[in-house]
Amino acid sequence: EVQVLESGGDLVEPGGSLRLSCAVSGFTFDTCDVSWVRQAPGKGLEWVSGFRGNGDKTYYADSVKGRFTVSRDNSKNTLYLQMNSLRAEDTAVYYCAKGYRTGWNYFDFWGQGTLVTVSS
Amino acid sequence: EIVMTQSPATLSVSPGEGATLSCRASQTVSSDLAWYQQKPGQAPRLLIYGASTRATGIPARFSGSGSGTEFTLTISSLQSEDFGFYYCQHYNKWPLTFGGGTKVEIK
Repeated sequence: EVQVLESGGDLVEPGGSLRLSCAVSGFTFDTCDVSWVRQAPGKGLEWVSGFRGNGDKTYYADSVKGRFTVSRDNSKNTLYLQMNSLRAEDTAVYYCAKGYRTGWNYFDFWGQGTLVTVSS
Repeated sequence: EIVMTQSPATLSVSPGEGATLSCRASQTVSSDLAWYQQKPGQAPRLLIYGASTRATGIPARFSGSGSGTEFTLTISSLQSEDFGFYYCQHYNKWPLTFGGGTKVEIK
């Protein structure tokens, strides 16, 4: 059974940093790409970042490029999102989403999300 | 990046009626198009992929069509559990992008 579990959301001041984690089970990272998708309060879905399954290629939305870094630890079956220079507009629920398989990035499994609030 | 535009923003429908939601891509995405349903406080749920293939467990009243830049999600007879938000997403290339969403509400 596939499971996706995010953690690490918190209240952080503007300019601060935070690292989110996404622990997965029921599949291995080499078979599919995994992405971070966020949703600001009362807003729609925004794709943020992706990590390609077979290899180390990473991808970012323009809105976070240069500030966010995605990485993974295969031994721990965990994907991370390091978020630096946080802004108020980064406030959102952050979801970890599994792509069906490498190159076919529709999301068949989602976590329940973790809330990041950027505020002073 | 490919911009996805959904219309209408809000659709008011009576239970038992049909609904048609539209999604347009700023450039061709072939059939690399998915639809999701989301209810308040929940994660999105995959409904359709490949523009027209229903995901596992999705009722037959949901159908998708289109290719290239124009796509449609049709709900043939709305049930109470179908009210919520619907999003399209292309996966033709990176970066992936979502449409702004359509809210389907009870009339």
